[in-house]
Amino acid sequence: DIVMTQAPLSVSVTPGESASISCRSSKSLLHSNGITYVYWYLQKPGKSPQLLIYRMSNLASGVPDRFSGSGSETDFTLKISRVEAEDVGIYYCGQLLENPWTFGGGTKLELK
Amino acid sequence: EVQLVETGGGLVQPGKSLKLTCATSGFTFSNAWMDWVRQSPEKQLEWVAQIKDKSNNYATYYAESVKGRFTISRDDSKSSVYLQMNSLKEEDTAIYYCTWGYPYWGQGVMVTVSS
Repeated sequence: DIVMTQAPLSVSVTPGESASISCRSSKSLLHSNGITYVYWYLQKPGKSPQLLIYRMSNLASGVPDRFSGSGSETDFTLKISRVEAEDVGIYYCGQLLENPWTFGGGTKLELK
Repeated sequence: EVQLVETGGGLVQPGKSLKLTCATSGFTFSNAWMDWVRQSPEKQLEWVAQIKDKSNNYATYYAESVKGRFTISRDDSKSSVYLQMNSLKEEDTAIYYCTWGYPYWGQGVMVTVSS
């Protein structure tokens, strides 16, 4: 199985500042079709995970453009510019290149 | 609007069975590949099972941790997918989410396995 490793475990951010979350996969997530199958989710307290970024760098519908995704074949970054109170929650990266889907352990974002 | 609604969770003793149902609407269910993903009390997400559509012979796939104990199935006439869970273990305690691809997740249903 592909192992997804996230860092840090938690991050505390002042509103208006930016935050970055890293994710590393144990295998390249770049398919031969040129698509990198890494996804980012935010789970707000008491809610199910919601999609933020798909295929490494594509913003999901309705997601503010303060969120952006980037990376290479095995190293990925989610950046949140101008953090707001509504961004609080747990962020997960996940790979959908092959079964079984696997997810990182999560990064908890809190406000200072 | 896409909707996925899970039901059937609850408290069950180790070794017993439980069946989850996911009722869907807002998309062409018969063409959809459906998955179950669970989240442990420690918040770790784990993919559980997938079922493909009729054109793919309703092929099914399972996580090693549930293979032989869980069965995923579907009823296209009811736009519903099911997860039959047998021989439950305490480590199966989790919130179970029904998903359609990567974007759409249900609200989840809690399963607690405890004596």
